[in-house]
Amino acid sequence: TQLLEQSPQFLSIQEGENLTVYCNSSSVFSSLQWYRQEPGEGPVLLVTVVTGGEVKKLKRLTFQFGDARKDSSLHITAAQTGDTGLYLCAGASSNTGKLIFGQGTTLQVKP
Amino acid sequence: KAGVTQTPRYLIKTRGQQVTLSCSPISGHRSVSWYQQTPGQGLQFLFEYFSETQRNKGNFPGRFSGRQFSNSRSEMNVSTLELGDSALYLCASSLNGQGSIQYFGAGTRLSVL
Repeated sequence: TQLLEQSPQFLSIQEGENLTVYCNSSSVFSSLQWYRQEPGEGPVLLVTVVTGGEVKKLKRLTFQFGDARKDSSLHITAAQTGDTGLYLCAGASSNTGKLIFGQGTTLQVKP
Repeated sequence: KAGVTQTPRYLIKTRGQQVTLSCSPISGHRSVSWYQQTPGQGLQFLFEYFSETQRNKGNFPGRFSGRQFSNSRSEMNVSTLELGDSALYLCASSLNGQGSIQYFGAGTRLSVL
């Protein structure tokens, strides 16, 4: 069974701080997606990374896909209260065609 | 372009009853996936339908079933409800299936009493 372990599960920080969320697996994924979910809504895609070693930047968010395509990280610089939400990573299995989600990281950014 | 629509948004049922949830995907999307989201287990994959055929299935009991119609709309049915079925049920549509970008609806919040 393929698993994606996300850490930390919970993060509470002050506005302006930096943070990193990790997504790790022993399996190789053909691509990895990051989503953010706000209360009362479904997850919304932030980015997809496909190539090992790939780095993508979305304003203050930096996403990295590991060289071996088994892990990924999301780094937020100078967090804002609007970044509060549940962050989910999801790996696309090249074997089964399924999308496997991590448990999620609940981020709270305090003013 | 309208997004993914799930109905109803909220449901309250009692143990033993059955429930049907509906999902209308984005126009042109042929793949619909269903997920169960709970605080303890996170987002768990139920099944995926593509062009009216179930293409992938998660590890849920047979009480959970689904179908997809020719217009790509999908329904999910849960029979003989249990307390543990209380969750947010999310539907996601995509162009080509699980490996491509998933567009999620707002979900149906099911409470089983």
